[in-house]
Amino acid sequence: DVKVTQSSRYLVKRTGEKVFLECVQDMDHENMFWYRQDPGLGLRLIYFSYDVKMKEKGDIPEGYSVSREKKERFSLILESASTNQTSMYLCATTYGPPGELFFGEGSRLTVL
Amino acid sequence: QQPVQSPQAVILREGEDAVINCSSSKALYSVHWYRQKHGEAPVFLMILLKGGEQKGHDKISASFNEKKQQSSLYLTASQLSYSGTYFCGTEIRNAGNMLTFGGGTRLMVKP
Repeated sequence: DVKVTQSSRYLVKRTGEKVFLECVQDMDHENMFWYRQDPGLGLRLIYFSYDVKMKEKGDIPEGYSVSREKKERFSLILESASTNQTSMYLCATTYGPPGELFFGEGSRLTVL
Repeated sequence: QQPVQSPQAVILREGEDAVINCSSSKALYSVHWYRQKHGEAPVFLMILLKGGEQKGHDKISASFNEKKQQSSLYLTASQLSYSGTYFCGTEIRNAGNMLTFGGGTRLMVKP
């Protein structure tokens, strides 16, 4: 079974703090994605990566950056957290051109 | 570039049928369907890769009309276990491996 592990299930941060969300997969998948999920807005793509050190902007990249130094790890960085970044963040992986996506359990971030 | 799903919510009685639609303003390469139960991660249902393709999974099936840039998910003789939020994900032609999702359709099946 594919395992996608997100480092923290729940985080509470203060406005202006730097936040790291980490995602690790154990199946050697090429593609990794970060989405945020908000009620009524579905899953919105923030960034994705199709290879080590490669990244592409999704639909809502503003206020976020990513890092992929190793194939199995994809990090989402909020340089200066703001209250409007309070959300559920989901990491997903897939092999090759988007086939079945495997999601992590999610990280619920609250920014005060 | 998010696809548009309709309806936003639907309530069914067990045994009733439902259709969820997904449409895009861009030419599509593939359409994915996922279901998410409350408090859980989304789970893959199926992918449609070719225009006109239809797939089935139990009593859940889907079609993909490439020309109209639309897909529909059909839930037949719904069961209580079908309750959840359904998302379509679309891969746009010539946009790399980017997969974007719609706003979701909340489905509730009552006894």
